Amino acid sequence: QVQLVQSGAEVKKPGASVKVSCKASGYTFTSYGISWVRQAPGQGLEWMGWISAYNGNTNYAQKLQGRVTMTTDTSTSTAYMELRSLRSDDTAVYYCARRIAAAGTQTGWFDPWGQGTLVTVSS
Amino acid sequence: SYELTQPPSVSVSPGQTARITCSGDALPKQYAYWYQQKPGQAPVLVIYKDSERPSGIPERFSGSSSGTTVTLTISGVQAEDEADYYCQSADSSGTFEVFGGGTKLTVL
Repeated sequence: QVQLVQSGAEVKKPGASVKVSCKASGYTFTSYGISWVRQAPGQGLEWMGWISAYNGNTNYAQKLQGRVTMTTDTSTSTAYMELRSLRSDDTAVYYCARRIAAAGTQTGWFDPWGQGTLVTVSS
Repeated sequence: SYELTQPPSVSVSPGQTARITCSGDALPKQYAYWYQQKPGQAPVLVIYKDSERPSGIPERFSGSSSGTTVTLTISGVQAEDEADYYCQSADSSGTFEVFGGGTKLTVL
């Protein structure tokens, strides 16, 4: 079955960086993209961006541009999301999800999702 | 930046029909998708491309679109449907994807 398994929880100090991994299985990794979504405690979902596992092209949310980098390793079917210059309001659960493109459009949907990785930013 | 607007909460009794709306200026041009999220769990896709239902999702879940509003309808609501529901779409150019603020469905 299609599955995404994420790395474990992280605690970071303000100003540090974090890199979360997302290992895919059960499908051809390079046929889809990987999206990243975060959810602050008690808040809604926030789209962070996505990466094409086929060619590595990326599309980041404007508010995160310059601080976020998404990459993939096709040899291990793993996607990575690195966020730099962490602040307290970056504390959230970070999810990866397989991105399925809607034919004839530039958009897509997310299915399935990883289990989430809690990143806590605290001094 | 582009926004999708959902009601914060909807309440229904078991067996009734719940309707959750999502409004956005680009919805006539872009597909909408719906996710269910239960406490402590990752979101689950329940509707894609406005009205398509993934395999494994009960038939009581349906989606529709009219102008700048899309609607998730849950017919014959069950206690297990109590959750947060989020719509997702994109801006008019298709460049940036966005989520609605989420709707908490309470089954009375």
